[in-house]
Amino acid sequence: GAVVSQHPSRVICKSGTSVKIECRSLDFQATTMFWYRQFPKQSLMLMATSNEGSKATYEQGVEKDKFLINHASLTLSTLTVTSAHPEDSSFYICSAGTISGNTIYFGEGSWLTVV
Amino acid sequence: AQSVAQPEDQVNVAEGNPLTVKCTYSVSGNPYLFWYVQYPNRGLQFLLKYITGDNLVKGSYGFEAEFNKSQTSFHLKKPSALVSDSALYFCAVRDMTSNAGNNRKLIWGLGTSLAVNP
Repeated sequence: GAVVSQHPSRVICKSGTSVKIECRSLDFQATTMFWYRQFPKQSLMLMATSNEGSKATYEQGVEKDKFLINHASLTLSTLTVTSAHPEDSSFYICSAGTISGNTIYFGEGSWLTVV
Repeated sequence: AQSVAQPEDQVNVAEGNPLTVKCTYSVSGNPYLFWYVQYPNRGLQFLLKYITGDNLVKGSYGFEAEFNKSQTSFHLKKPSALVSDSALYFCAVRDMTSNAGNNRKLIWGLGTSLAVNP
């Protein structure tokens, strides 16, 4: 299957700082990437959908100024958590859809801990 | 409203026995259905999908799922469970109200934790 790489896998940052998480489709072009947040033993919460070359579409309740998403190329999307707070600590997962197919592939996720 | 239901939070099965993880859906039109598996502290791995064609879909790691239109179900099955199958399983359906083309947002079930006991 297609490979989606997410980096970093774990990051610890100080409260008030910003942290960037990258999501790359390694062997396919992804016009659409999705960013999720997952709390322990819970389902995925879609945060936003990013389309290459355009602004991301955020789900209701997700602060777009806090969670900045950039999808500058067909293989890279980034999520920047700005002015991070401890409550932002979570598991963030990206996924990407191939241009031609109907399957969504996931990255390995990034654990963010804000101290 | 479109939705996916996984009625069981947890399924326990003995190694070697058949397993079933249930999923029902509600969506307008013909559904695109998916199963993913998540191991602890990992991302999700694609198992299988139903788009069209045969109702019985075969996927990775010996899993299969049967699409039943009349019951609006897409249960995941495996004839003989392994301890290594223990994980969190998610059923999802494509959001048919999304824009066509690039926006293939999925609607997710809450997940079912599968425990296979040796």
